[in-house]
Amino acid sequence: QSVLTQPPSASGTPGQRVTISCSGSGSNIGSNTVNWYQFLPGTAPKFLIYINNQRPSGVPDRFSGSKSGTSASLAISGLQSEDEADYYCAAWDDSLNGWVFGGGTKLTVL
Amino acid sequence: EVQLVQSGAEVKKPGDTVKISCKVSGYTFTDYYMHWVRQAPGKGLEWMGLVDPEDVEIIYAEKFQGRVTITADTSTDTAYMHLSSLRSEDTAVYFCATTPSGNIGGYPFDYWGQGTLVTVSS
Repeated sequence: QSVLTQPPSASGTPGQRVTISCSGSGSNIGSNTVNWYQFLPGTAPKFLIYINNQRPSGVPDRFSGSKSGTSASLAISGLQSEDEADYYCAAWDDSLNGWVFGGGTKLTVL
Repeated sequence: EVQLVQSGAEVKKPGDTVKISCKVSGYTFTDYYMHWVRQAPGKGLEWMGLVDPEDVEIIYAEKFQGRVTITADTSTDTAYMHLSSLRSEDTAVYFCATTPSGNIGGYPFDYWGQGTLVTVSS
């Protein structure tokens, strides 16, 4: 059971906008920033969003993040086939004194 | 170019100890914390702990306290993770990953190793 809660799956057609939610508590998302990661089979994981809504260089602006209270979300607009991957949210947890993750969301591009 | 290259897949028996290495290049080893994260088949990610190669500060996740040892060798720019008393539930892909030093919970895991599959089976 992951500390942060994500939907196990999401889907959309090319060009659509999809949103993936991440729900936590006051000791993690409520107190600290949220990061998002993309896992593609056979490749090293990649960080997509940091400090809630910042994109590292090289990440398309189709990816955006937001946070409100103890929840966060990742939005992908203009969905492309190469976006099909697993997405994870993460935050530091002050009570556990460690990083916690969501259970991951498998995104399917139909 | 930053690279984190992990050691190869391991097959272990219950009760064994596994040691995984993570050799870095392309950045100053002591400028980043080194974390270990695992992903069991069909499950989410689990953070196991971190080491600060600069001053050897170590933090372990409570779940793994007593079974995990994380070290850093600044002479070879290599981090290690030992996990003992292995059980079938420890079958997973283990990743090393870095965050910039200075704020343990404030920066993302920006560089990752390729992952090491550990299979625990009798």
